[in-house]
Amino acid sequence: EDKVVQSPLSLVVHEGDTVTLNCSYEVTNFRSLLWYKQEKKAPTFLFMLTSSGIEKKSGRLSSILDKKELFSILNITATQTGDSAVYLCDVPYMEYGNKLVFGAGTILRVKS
Amino acid sequence: SQTIHQWPATLVQPVGSPLSLECTVEGTSNPNLYWYRQAAGRGLQLLFYSVGIGQISSEVPQNLSASRPQDRQFILSSKKLLLSDSGFYLCAWRIDSTNSPLHFGNGTRLTVT
Repeated sequence: EDKVVQSPLSLVVHEGDTVTLNCSYEVTNFRSLLWYKQEKKAPTFLFMLTSSGIEKKSGRLSSILDKKELFSILNITATQTGDSAVYLCDVPYMEYGNKLVFGAGTILRVKS
Repeated sequence: SQTIHQWPATLVQPVGSPLSLECTVEGTSNPNLYWYRQAAGRGLQLLFYSVGIGQISSEVPQNLSASRPQDRQFILSSKKLLLSDSGFYLCAWRIDSTNSPLHFGNGTRLTVT
């Protein structure tokens, strides 16, 4: 059965800490892996990864994909309270990549 | 620019009543459309997706249904709501491409009483 697993399920850190979120997958016809951040309502897109070993970076956030070991990590350095959110991992797959499956998400809380 | 509209934002319905949630996309043609349900701030459960008018794929057997009467309109319906239908419903679209991100509406908070 195709699946996407995120870990940890929740995390509490202090401002300034560095966090690493993990997304592992087992899907048919892997196409890409996407990360989203959800603060209150609509998730917003962070990164899309298609190739192994190529880091995507945006400010304090970065992400990388390992297609051999079938996982991706999302790193956040020097965390701020504004980083508190649910972080979602999404893997489009199947023949045309139209079926999208999300992991359960990681709830991150950054304490000041 | 593309925009997605989803309504209503909140809804309280009694058990056994019908449901209709609507989602429309502007600024793009032939989008892939999706309905997700989210429980308690957790992951998104894919309910339905559509790659074209009248083409609906159902992922979870339940008393919900979806329809796509127009290219940029996606409707989630139920004839009789159950308590277990309560949750946060999100509509999303993406361009018809293998690798493209989802764009979400602001969601509907449904409470079935």
